Amino acid sequence: IAGITQAPTSQILAAGRRMTLRCTQDMRHNAMYWYRQDLGLGLRLIHYSNTAGTTGKGEVPDGYSVSRANTDDFPLTLASAVPSQTSVYFCASSYRVNTEAFFGQGTRLTVV
Amino acid sequence: DQQVKQNSPSLSVQEGRISILNCDYTNSMFDYFLWYKKYPAEGPTFLISISSIKDKNEDGRFTVFLNKSAKHLSLHIVPSQPGDSAVYFCAASWSNAGNMLTFGGGTRLMVKP
Repeated sequence: IAGITQAPTSQILAAGRRMTLRCTQDMRHNAMYWYRQDLGLGLRLIHYSNTAGTTGKGEVPDGYSVSRANTDDFPLTLASAVPSQTSVYFCASSYRVNTEAFFGQGTRLTVV
Repeated sequence: DQQVKQNSPSLSVQEGRISILNCDYTNSMFDYFLWYKKYPAEGPTFLISISSIKDKNEDGRFTVFLNKSAKHLSLHIVPSQPGDSAVYFCAASWSNAGNMLTFGGGTRLMVKP
């Protein structure tokens, strides 16, 4: 089934540890995004990539990094996790400008 | 400073009646607006969208209205069904910024049987 796959679905992580959230899409979409969802704040953009080989910072990029080595994969790395990074993380992709973005099922991350 | 705001965190409606969800934005550069629906433990799913060149878009029971002068959009669901109970997010983007979406905080809709 075509779509976006995120892994893991949930994780409890000790503060200070490094963690990579995985995201893969098989729709050949050019653009990919990472959002975090926090209560009352909606979804906020962390990083994005308009095409393979390029990335950019979103609204809340601090403490996160991304890479886009190919069209399908867009991993998000927390170099040294902190409790404020406890959130639900969603990966998304879209084909082109002014079209809807498709979302993965999310990764629930708890940093303790 | 939130550029997209949903001022009602929750809304309760009787089955069969109309649900109206509201959204306000501040950035006049936004030219594309979307509504997403989210069930617990799932990712948001696209519901309906509208371009800034239109003031209304309809898809079955769902209609989105855009008032550019007021920087306001609304989602109407008629008739509301219990399966519509979910969190609804409005989102906005503008062409020159790629397709990055700016989301509102969400409104939880509860449709009572």
